Amino acid sequence: AQSVAQPEDQVNVAEGNPLTVKCTYSVSGNPYLFWYVQYPNRGLQFLLKYITGDNLVKGSYGFEAEFNKSQTSFHLKKPSALVSDSALYFCAVRDLGGKLIFGQGTELSVKP
Amino acid sequence: EAQVTQNPRYLITVTGKKLTVTCSQNMNHEYMSWYRQDPGLGLRQIYYSMNVEVTDKGDVPEGYKVSRKEKRNFPLILESPSPNQTSLYFCASSPSGVGAFFGQGTRLTVV
Repeated sequence: AQSVAQPEDQVNVAEGNPLTVKCTYSVSGNPYLFWYVQYPNRGLQFLLKYITGDNLVKGSYGFEAEFNKSQTSFHLKKPSALVSDSALYFCAVRDLGGKLIFGQGTELSVKP
Repeated sequence: EAQVTQNPRYLITVTGKKLTVTCSQNMNHEYMSWYRQDPGLGLRQIYYSMNVEVTDKGDVPEGYKVSRKEKRNFPLILESPSPNQTSLYFCASSPSGVGAFFGQGTRLTVV
């Protein structure tokens, strides 16, 4: 069965420091991977996706993610965190039928 | 503007009183789905639709119904809501293989 795991419920980072939000996946075949962000009282917003190609994917708001096939990981990164990046982040994998399977979410808190 | 619109945004209802949450998309997407979001569980798919008149169960379909009579609309129906259906609900639409656009969410409380 296909699954996604986000091992950290919460990540705390100081503003200006680099941030990483971890995601590992288990799929059959080649993965379609996504990151979404959810701000308070808002819907999910698409950040970036990996379908094929370069392992380093660049997305919205300065975020990027690195696809690592051997480690089955798709960690979200940003070189310099902003307070406004504080939100709930979801990793997801698309199964063969088109369904998105989500991780449980990671709460990112960036302090000034 | 490309968007997925859900209504209502907030709803408090009583056990057993039928309700419908509407969802509409203006992007001509074939694939639409409903998710519920609960703390610590992420988002779980309730139902999905690959096209008009084609719907199928997701991971947690019990207690829910859907219909897809038109491409743009995908309402979620709770025939007899129960307190365990108190949750945050999201509708999403997507072209095949790309990802999903999400609505703003509907926070449902069943008392």
